[in-house]
Amino acid sequence: EVLLEESGGGLVKPGGSLTLSCSGSGFSFRSYAMTWVRQAPGKGLQWVSSINSRSTNTFYADSVRGRFTVSRDNANNSLFLQLDSLRVEDTAVYFCARDGDYGDFDHWGLGTLVTVS
Amino acid sequence: SYDLSQPPSVSVSPGHNAGITCSGNQLGDKYTYWYQQRPGQSPVLVIYHDSKRPSGIPDRFSASKSGDTTTLTITGTQTMDEADYYCQAWDSGSVIFGGGTKLTLL
Repeated sequence: EVLLEESGGGLVKPGGSLTLSCSGSGFSFRSYAMTWVRQAPGKGLQWVSSINSRSTNTFYADSVRGRFTVSRDNANNSLFLQLDSLRVEDTAVYFCARDGDYGDFDHWGLGTLVTVS
Repeated sequence: SYDLSQPPSVSVSPGHNAGITCSGNQLGDKYTYWYQQRPGQSPVLVIYHDSKRPSGIPDRFSASKSGDTTTLTITGTQTMDEADYYCQAWDSGSVIFGGGTKLTLL
């Protein structure tokens, strides 16, 4: 069974930093691109960042480019998102998701809440 | 920036069919995807590549495309189908989600 588990969320002041982690199991983690998607309270889904399987390509939404950094450790089946210069509007549940074979996101974690206040 | 438009809400009586639309500029040229998100839960992929269902998704979920509008249809809706539904597409290397549609069973 594919499992994704996020951690690292919490309360941080504006301008502060946080690192989110996502642990994957039940599949060949190193074979899949991975993605972060966030959801502000009561709002819709917003793509944040993606990274390919070998970390050679990273992609960011305009709203986070230059402030967030995505990385991964395939040896430890882990995905990371470094959040710097945080703003109140970054408050959201952050989900990690596995990129499927067809441009979809076929498995999602439960999410971790980041509150900037 | 690229936008996908969905109606904020759709209501349907149990056992009836529900349709949720998603529209975008030149969406007909892009693959579209649909996710279901029940309250307090993570999104679940219900449709990929315009109209394909992942394993484990009931066949009452289907999708079709006409021009630049894609429609998710739930045939014979059940109580468990009450959820938010999001369409998704790719544009210029970025992932775009629609604003979401809340499906309410009357």
